[in-house]
Amino acid sequence: DQQVKQNSPSLSVQEGRISILNCDYTNSMFDYFLWYKKYPAEGPTFLISISSIKDKNEDGRFTVFLNKSAKHLSLHIVPSQPGDSAVYFCAEGGLTGGGNKLTFGTGTQLKVEL
Amino acid sequence: GAGVSQSPSNKVTEKGKDVELRCDPISGHTALYWYRQSLGQGLEFLIYFQGNSAPDKSGLPSDRFSAERTGGSVSTLTIQRTQQEDSAVYLCASSFGLGTYEQYFGPGTRLTVT
Repeated sequence: DQQVKQNSPSLSVQEGRISILNCDYTNSMFDYFLWYKKYPAEGPTFLISISSIKDKNEDGRFTVFLNKSAKHLSLHIVPSQPGDSAVYFCAEGGLTGGGNKLTFGTGTQLKVEL
Repeated sequence: GAGVSQSPSNKVTEKGKDVELRCDPISGHTALYWYRQSLGQGLEFLIYFQGNSAPDKSGLPSDRFSAERTGGSVSTLTIQRTQQEDSAVYLCASSFGLGTYEQYFGPGTRLTVT
């Protein structure tokens, strides 16, 4: 059973517009949420994160929103740039055996068009 | 500074053969994780190391999979008697460990079992 869901496998946005990527989760025990970006043939790179005690975190063009009552996470990119074209994974973290295992969604392919 | 490195970058093997995948984490990172990404899927957790011990092996799909870490640094993931369903990209990540959720990924090893 998928604990983290990214229901949109792909998203296409025009350059300069806002990109909104969504993620839903089922386990309310998660206490930390992250977004990763992945280019082809590369490993995922950390983008932005948010603790469950917050509902918003902003870093430059990237803002993550957390709605705990809806168990919903979103990433806003504004303005979108062609270099943002990549696969975006949301991930949730919770302690396991003393470590911080991440549970990932299946990813959303973002394409920013000129 | 140097990031997480993995070798080989690509591995093609025949069904039934054993393979070893190597990961060199970021210096100073005490935690090391192995994930895999099958075609069209998200990242699937395999195993977590804190130092040389593995408190969480819950993601290893069968007893054909094993991993070890020596000197608190390099880790090797071994797959015995490979099957076609083992074909995937195997990703290694490292972090500072307890209390740190941000993980830094290597470029991955693409394993193809023919």
